[in-house]
Amino acid sequence: NAGVTQTPKFRVLKTGQSMTLLCAQDMNHEYMYWYRQDPGMGLRLIHYSVGEGTTAKGEVPDGYNVSRLKKQNFLLGLESAAPSQTSVYFCASSPQEGGWYTEAFFGQGTRLTVV
Amino acid sequence: KNQVEQSPQSLIILEGKNCTLQCNYTVSPFSNLRWYKQDTGRGPVSLTIMTFSENTKSNGRYTATLDADTKQSSLHITASQLSDSASYICVVSDNDMRFGAGTRLTVKP
Repeated sequence: NAGVTQTPKFRVLKTGQSMTLLCAQDMNHEYMYWYRQDPGMGLRLIHYSVGEGTTAKGEVPDGYNVSRLKKQNFLLGLESAAPSQTSVYFCASSPQEGGWYTEAFFGQGTRLTVV
Repeated sequence: KNQVEQSPQSLIILEGKNCTLQCNYTVSPFSNLRWYKQDTGRGPVSLTIMTFSENTKSNGRYTATLDADTKQSSLHITASQLSDSASYICVVSDNDMRFGAGTRLTVKP
């Protein structure tokens, strides 16, 4: 079972460059999330989606955009990368029933360095 | 101020020993509390999930307790193994999932 798959696993960007992180889930989950994890801090929600074609802002959305054109995919975009966006990014998904109250499954993470 | 505080920040124990990790939260209202294990370079994986009405839940050598009155939870690991070396993250949910910074556990032979 693949679960939640993130692409790429590692990436180094120069300041000002753009990139897209891809998250794919094969569990038919309605809810998908993008988090960032920084040293000494808990995971922080960037954006989330409650279904195909919907997106919403989380706690730290500035500098990021997302799209959910297909139910199984959730894309995170950085239009103009900044060193402050150096982090480990995690995608997660959860079933529709219960939404926030049910189990969330995480991908393996993408380590992004902006120089 | 983070609404979910975990202690200690890091912990080193010898293989075979027991340990207890703490989670204090201020999230209110409270829906459920989860403990995740995160191996280095991997995503978090769920260990337990408890609603406000549950006091304890076990998953093998892992036992989580919850005191909703004092807003405290603990994760007890029995007979630790080298593979228990990981970060353990407490997550408290109201309408959103709120993550603690985690406790980094190292089990040494």
